[in-house]
Amino acid sequence: NAGVMQNPRHLVRRRGQEARLRCSPMKGHSHVYWYRQLPEEGLKFMVYLQKENIIDESGMPKERFSAEFPKEGPSILRIQQVVRGDSAAYFCASSPNQYNEQFFGPGTRLTVL
Amino acid sequence: SQQGEEDPQALSIQEGENATMNCSYKTSINNLQWYRQNSGRGLVHLILIRSNEREKHSGRLRVTLDTSKKSSSLLITASRAADTASYFCATDAVTGGGNKLTFGTGTQLKVEL
Repeated sequence: NAGVMQNPRHLVRRRGQEARLRCSPMKGHSHVYWYRQLPEEGLKFMVYLQKENIIDESGMPKERFSAEFPKEGPSILRIQQVVRGDSAAYFCASSPNQYNEQFFGPGTRLTVL
Repeated sequence: SQQGEEDPQALSIQEGENATMNCSYKTSINNLQWYRQNSGRGLVHLILIRSNEREKHSGRLRVTLDTSKKSSSLLITASRAADTASYFCATDAVTGGGNKLTFGTGTQLKVEL
């Protein structure tokens, strides 16, 4: 049973470009969470999704950031018009329901030049 | 202090010694989880303790939870060099949507030979 998959593992973008981060949850998991980790800090919650629904996006910046988890395919975190401050590690986690532990993917390290 | 704040921030011990890390939080919780993160890597789930549990063991790990003091401790016995990593506690609140985790800033553990 493969774990949570994220790709790409490393992504380099220039200011103003778009970044698309993908997350495939563990088999049987329908709950997906995105977190961001700035250097030397803990993870900060961004958004919680179930299939085709955004349940909680209280941690998402108001502009440029969006997330989706379609019926088919991976969850996508999209950052438009990236700025240097977006440089961070973005982690996805999945769980079978909202009461169990979350299993994390290896993360995508975004660098904005 | 912030929700899920670890103490100490850094800990250096000799191989074979025990390592104790503490975590304090502010709001009522459903669960508290401990994760390990090796440098530049993803998070590995270590243990989950529910709010109605006081102590839990897993191999060389022992976790305690005191909901009256809103604190938890992680004890690693007979430490090994491979235990060198950052350790985070994460809580999920009783109120609010879903099971979003609030992470502390972590304790950096270094186990020397």
